[in-house]
Amino acid sequence: SYVLTQPPSVSVAPGKTARITCGGNNIERKSVHWYQQKPGQAPVLVISYDSDRPSGIPERFSGSNSGNTATLTISRVEAGDEADYCCQVWDSSSDSYVFGSGTKVTVL
Amino acid sequence: QVQLQESGPGLVKPSQTLSLTCTVSGASISSGTYYWSWIRQPAGKGLEWIGRIYTSGGTNYSPSLKSRITISIDTSKNQFSLKLSSVTAADTAVYYCARGVIGTSPPDPWGQGTLVTVSS
Repeated sequence: SYVLTQPPSVSVAPGKTARITCGGNNIERKSVHWYQQKPGQAPVLVISYDSDRPSGIPERFSGSNSGNTATLTISRVEAGDEADYCCQVWDSSSDSYVFGSGTKVTVL
Repeated sequence: QVQLQESGPGLVKPSQTLSLTCTVSGASISSGTYYWSWIRQPAGKGLEWIGRIYTSGGTNYSPSLKSRITISIDTSKNQFSLKLSSVTAADTAVYYCARGVIGTSPPDPWGQGTLVTVSS
């Protein structure tokens, strides 16, 4: 089945930019979705279809997808952005969703 | 605004069947516009998609869990359910239900989740 690879952790200073990658074979051919999950809470969709922001998600969150890597970018990082971030795609070969392993973003 | 709430036993014995229900409020589960999904997360680990069901009754299941899963829908109660058979300690996790727009759109929103522990 399709595999998504994410770095375990990313650290960023407040006000700076965090980039979280999601690697997969020819991932650019798939639509990538991103979730934010804070401790003890359910995941929240922050980016859908590579770069669409659902209603209520700050413009500081953006996404891109090219080649074998999709990227979630958080600009002007705030303390409240500290969370786990997970990518997801639909794998048509198995008719199932696949999640990445998740990346913990720490705000220094 | 749609809300989803998981319910079911918090403790299941090994080899038994885990049964959970997701109650939907604020929207009709009979709408053909959506699918209804289950996802789980072991403590300290990543998310694992379990499967989904359409109002028509059609389903998609995770290949790794397919032999043990049954997802069903009860439109009269506005609920859908998960049954996972022959559970082991590896099935201990927080189980979430979620809704998605029909097709390959991402599950959103999700319920708050319910912890199920498999232990004797």
